[in-house]
Amino acid sequence: QQQVKQSPQSLIVQKGGISIINCAYENTAFDYFPWYQQFPGKGPALLIAIRPDVSEKKEGRFTISFNKSAKQFSLHIMDSQPGDSATYFCAASTGGYQKVTFGIGTKLQVIP
Amino acid sequence: GAVVSQHPSWVICKSGTSVKIECRSLDFQATTMFWYRQFPKQSLMLMATSNEGSKATYEQGVEKDKFLINHASLTLSTLTVTSAHPEDSSFYICSASGTSGTLSSYEQYFGPGTRLTVT
Repeated sequence: QQQVKQSPQSLIVQKGGISIINCAYENTAFDYFPWYQQFPGKGPALLIAIRPDVSEKKEGRFTISFNKSAKQFSLHIMDSQPGDSATYFCAASTGGYQKVTFGIGTKLQVIP
Repeated sequence: GAVVSQHPSWVICKSGTSVKIECRSLDFQATTMFWYRQFPKQSLMLMATSNEGSKATYEQGVEKDKFLINHASLTLSTLTVTSAHPEDSSFYICSASGTSGTLSSYEQYFGPGTRLTVT
C-alpha cells in the first residue's frame, strides 16, 4: 500500500522555469510533511517541511503548498536552476521520532 | 548543526561474510535512528527503527537475524549485515532524530549512505 503517492516520476524544466511536484496521502494521522532532495550517490537532505496547520510555507525559491481537505501537498521550485537537478522525495510522518513514509521520488532535470 | 556521518562510504565483501556499517550523529544526541535501503532509481525503504538502549523495531519482511541493529549510545548506531549475499547489495542510509538547540524531533537528518557490494 503506497501511503504517499508522488507525481510525476520525472520532470524536465527549462532554466528559469517553475518545477512542480505533487503528492497525495491517505493516512489522516500524518502531521508532518517534509521534502527531501537527493543527489546521485548521496543521502537525502531535508529541503523544506510543513505542518498541516498552515497552507503554505516558503523558503527562498522553494514553496510547499498544502491542502488538508484534499490530502494533497506540492513543492514548487521557482526560477529553477541546473543545480536543482536531483531526485526529490515527498514524505510524511505521524510525529516526532516517528518513521517517515516516502513517495516514489521525482527525478528533476533542469536544462539550460 | 545536525550532521550525520556513515562509515564506510562504500564496501565490497565476499558472499558469506558479515559487514558492519556505522552511523553517527556528530553534533546532536540521536534519540531515534532509522535504517533504510535504497535500490537504484527507487525510493527509500525503511528497514528498522532503533531507540538508544532498546531493541530495534523491524519493518515487515526485514529479517532481524540477518540485519543486526545496535543503538548503544545516543550518537552511534550500527547495522551489521550477516552472511551477506549478492542480493543484499544496495545503498544503505541511516537517519537520526533528536532534540538539541533548534532541532525538532520531527526532523530526520540523513547520513551520506553506504554502498554495499557483495561479490
